[in-house]
Order: sequence, then C-alpha cells, then structure tokens
Amino acid sequence: GAVVSQHPSRVICKSGTSVKIECRSLDFQATTMFWYRQFPKQSLMLMATSNEGSKATYEQGVEKDKFLINHASLTLSTLTVTSAHPEDSSFYICSARTKDRFYEQYFGPGTRLTVT
Amino acid sequence: TQLLEQSPQFLSIQEGENLTVYCNSSSVFSSLQWYRQEPGEGPVLLVTVVTGGEVKKLKRLTFQFGDARKDSSLHITAAQPGDTGLYLCAGDNTGFQKLVFGTGTRLLVSP
Repeated sequence: GAVVSQHPSRVICKSGTSVKIECRSLDFQATTMFWYRQFPKQSLMLMATSNEGSKATYEQGVEKDKFLINHASLTLSTLTVTSAHPEDSSFYICSARTKDRFYEQYFGPGTRLTVT
Repeated sequence: TQLLEQSPQFLSIQEGENLTVYCNSSSVFSSLQWYRQEPGEGPVLLVTVVTGGEVKKLKRLTFQFGDARKDSSLHITAAQPGDTGLYLCAGDNTGFQKLVFGTGTRLLVSP
C-alpha cells in the first residue's frame, strides 16, 4: 500500500517553456502533498505544501509564480514550472501523507527535469 | 529553523562490516523517520520512531530514538552491497505539519 506515482519520470524542455509534473497517490487519499527539490548528492529541500482544495504554502525563497502547485483532488497534485530556465534543472520529488498516519510521508519516484 | 545534522556525511566500507549513522538536532520531534534513497529514485520509508528511547529492528538494521526525542541512530550489522544508498533521517513536528530532512549520509558498501 501507500504507492505514489509521478509523471513524467524524465522531461527535457527548452528554456522559456512550461512543464507540468503530476503526482498521484494510487491506493490512498492524500490529505496533504509535498513538493521537494533535490540537487545532486544533497538532501531534499521542501518547496511547498499543498492541501486538497486550498492554496499551497510555499517555503521561504520559493517563487510562487514560477512553481505553480494545484491540488485538485485527494489523489492528484501538479507542479508546473513556468518559463523554465537552465537553473531550474533538478530532481523534483513529491510525497503524500494520509490522514490517519499523518507523521509519515510516502514519496514518488521523482522527475528529472532538464532545461536546455 | 529546525536542523537535523547527520554524521558521517559519507561512509565507504567493506561487505560484512558494521556501521552507525547519527542524526542530531537541538529541536524536539514528535516522530522521526529514516529513509533510504537510491540514485534517480524517491526516498523509501524504512521506519518511523515515535516514543523517546524506542528501538526498532528491521532485519540487520536497528533504529533508536533518543530519550529526549532530539536525536536518532541507525545501526547496520554485516553490511551488504544492497545497503548502498543515501540514508536520510526526517523529523516531524506536528506544529509545523511538515518533515525536516537531515543532511544525508551516503553509504557505499563494496563486495
């Protein structure tokens, strides 16, 4: 149980375009989803927290207008990187938390974004 | 800002050796999780510890939560190449509703 999927797993886009990444909880309802960014050989950096039906809460230093998060349902959250630039290239990982075991997060497999 | 410092940052050992990874903070956490992450994949939850002083075992892995719930350790007995990966501790403070991740420990186990 507690499987989280991400799509796509890899994406290459040109500078100035937008990219959407989907995060789905497959076998449970996720009251909260999180988006992380990870640089090579480093730990995870939380970007934002999203609750179903409400606006995402962004961490300090994360541009809201650049990283658009939508949590449309209890099983789907999307991250859109708008007007992507090479410095946005990174590994993006989502996680989901259930209502009953709120202290545990289940992670997706990640999305490798490369902006050329 | 809550910080979780892990040590060592990098560990390279031979198959069969034992090792311990530490996760320390000045903050108190209501629970603490340990994850293992392999290159190009998301972290996989290994264990959650909730009670101060709690010890949990997962085959050759032993996890301990400090009495004051500020620190934790992961001990691996007779390490195997399959244990290779990035180990991350993460603390949860329900007041903040989010996990604080440790700095990570990269483990390489050679045959």
